[in-house]
Amino acid sequence: DAGVIQSPRHEVTEMGQEVTLRCKPISGHNSLFWYRQTMMRGLELLIYFNNNVPIDDSGMPEDRFSAKMPNASFSTLKIQPSEPRDSAVYFCASSLAEYYGYTFGSGTRLTVV
Amino acid sequence: GIQVEQSPPDLILQEGANSTLRCNFSDSVNNLQWFHQNPWGQLINLFYIPSGTKQNGRLSATTVATERYSLLYISSSQTTDSGVYFCAVGGNTGKLIFGQGTTLQVKP
Repeated sequence: DAGVIQSPRHEVTEMGQEVTLRCKPISGHNSLFWYRQTMMRGLELLIYFNNNVPIDDSGMPEDRFSAKMPNASFSTLKIQPSEPRDSAVYFCASSLAEYYGYTFGSGTRLTVV
Repeated sequence: GIQVEQSPPDLILQEGANSTLRCNFSDSVNNLQWFHQNPWGQLINLFYIPSGTKQNGRLSATTVATERYSLLYISSSQTTDSGVYFCAVGGNTGKLIFGQGTTLQVKP
């Protein structure tokens, strides 16, 4: 298996623009997680899905952030409009179920200028 | 929510030395994992260990759930072990809460 695949690897965008981050989980994994990593706040869970259904989105910073999982093999995290404070590395992870080991993707480094 | 505390925050070792990293958590957990983030930013799962002891090569981990701590042992450290080690725990929900990490530097 190719592991968890995220795209793009790097994204530089101007403040106010829409940003879409993509994630393809490992085939057969039922849980998908979006995390954000910054120096100040460390690794924070934004949202997670179980069987394509959002279970907990309490970590989503504000209404500018939204996430979808239309099917078992694809998820998106969208920021609209983007702000400089959204600059971070965004990771996607998947696991067989809620209480199994996570596999992380390589992350998307987002810079908003 | 569950609090996770890792120690030490920073560690410098000479190649070949052994080390122990500690993770304390504030409540009972159903999920505990150790990760290594390498200098290129990749997060690698080392262990899924909500209780008991596991070993994988030079690495081993022990979780004593009743006393709310976990230990990660690194033996005969190598320069490739450098990076940040994270402990992450989860309770009744599926989500993991990450500690702030231990930054390890192994010198040749």
